Amino acid sequence: RKEVEQDPGPFNVPEGATVAFNCTYSNSASQSFFWYRQDCRKEPKLLMSVYSSGNEDGRFTAQLNRASQYISLLIRDSKLSDSATYLCVVNLGNFNKFYFGSGTKLNVKP
Amino acid sequence: DGGITQSPKYLFRKEGQNVTLSCEQNLNHDAMYWYRQDPGQGLRLIYYSHIVNDFQKGDIAEGYSVSREKKESFPLTVTSAQKNPTAFYLCASAGVSNYGYTFGSGTRLTVV
Repeated sequence: RKEVEQDPGPFNVPEGATVAFNCTYSNSASQSFFWYRQDCRKEPKLLMSVYSSGNEDGRFTAQLNRASQYISLLIRDSKLSDSATYLCVVNLGNFNKFYFGSGTKLNVKP
Repeated sequence: DGGITQSPKYLFRKEGQNVTLSCEQNLNHDAMYWYRQDPGQGLRLIYYSHIVNDFQKGDIAEGYSVSREKKESFPLTVTSAQKNPTAFYLCASAGVSNYGYTFGSGTRLTVV
């Protein structure tokens, strides 16, 4: 079983839509959680960390559900520029290993 | 500005050649990592290092070698033993785990 699993998509949504991605992780000892954004042929860039209480950054909201071992990313009022692949990343609490999901592709269309 | 620099951006390798990808960071991060990404795939860990002069194999280390002689530098050599080296190679560094990774801009390696 993979450490981190994501729906690969693609999610095709119109501009202005709200879209949500989930990511499940297998190790209950996981302590740090992140969402990264990766544009085509570029390196991943940190979008936001995910805190236990949930956190929001503008149109983006991240939540953690430890009981069910998943994290989520909600994007409101989607923009064309949000089109990218979103990677879920989980860490066991030290910098030994960060586990990456294979990414969820989002296409925002006019 | 602090950051992590990979070079070259594009690299072409002939069959049977070894090539070395450079990764340098000035973030004062202790941990450094090499990942490989194939089209439409997730990142796979090749090697990682937490301190100078020490490194560990990741999930797909065969056909690769690394060194960590300086904190700032973590070069990756793709040897002729790596049978399918064409991929996007990403170097990353990390300090305190809660802040996640910082990635370099990647090296795209193609076998010709």
